[in-house]
Amino acid sequence: GENVEQHPSTLSVQEGDSAVIKCTYSDSASNYFPWYKQELGKGPQLIIDIRSNVGEKKDQRIAVTLNKTAKHFSLHITETQPEDSAVYFCAASFAGGNEKLTFGTGTRLTIIP
Amino acid sequence: KAGVTQTPRYLIKTRGQQVTLSCSPISGHRSVSWYQQTPGQGLQFLFEYFSETQRNKGNFPGRFSGRQFSNSRSEMNVSTLELGDSALYLCASSFLSGSNEQFFGPGTRLTVL
Repeated sequence: GENVEQHPSTLSVQEGDSAVIKCTYSDSASNYFPWYKQELGKGPQLIIDIRSNVGEKKDQRIAVTLNKTAKHFSLHITETQPEDSAVYFCAASFAGGNEKLTFGTGTRLTIIP
Repeated sequence: KAGVTQTPRYLIKTRGQQVTLSCSPISGHRSVSWYQQTPGQGLQFLFEYFSETQRNKGNFPGRFSGRQFSNSRSEMNVSTLELGDSALYLCASSFLSGSNEQFFGPGTRLTVL
């Protein structure tokens, strides 16, 4: 089955700086890679996703890059703000089949004002 | 459009009891997936239902079961509760099956004493 590793487990950055979270996956058939943000007391919220036919996707201050050859993908947050503080999860799956989403172990991001 | 709703939000049970959790997906979504979230194990997939049929199942004992109704609402049941079942139980809905964009509810916090 799929295995997703996520690094780092904790990350602290100064407000205004950039944050990068990296994930690697094991199943070369995986073709769907979402990122979720979970704030305290809430369920995970889908913030951006990428499919294997795309190398990069941006949405305002967040971007995701995918390297299928190396089987890794990354979340980039620029101009970080205090409200970006949360736990971020990456995930991978083969969309379109019966494959489940496999999640990384999460990164606790703290933005220092 | 209303999001995913889960009831109850908090639950306290004792060992040996059983519990039923409920999830109402986003209107129009026919797939509901259930996850268990714990600090040590992260987000672990329990099962997915689509059009009242279980489409996928994770590696959990038979004490964990679920069902889906014709209106796409889903319930999960845990029988003979153990201390280790204490967790946040999340459901996620998506329009189609197969790990398309999933939207999470706020979760049900289950504490087993």
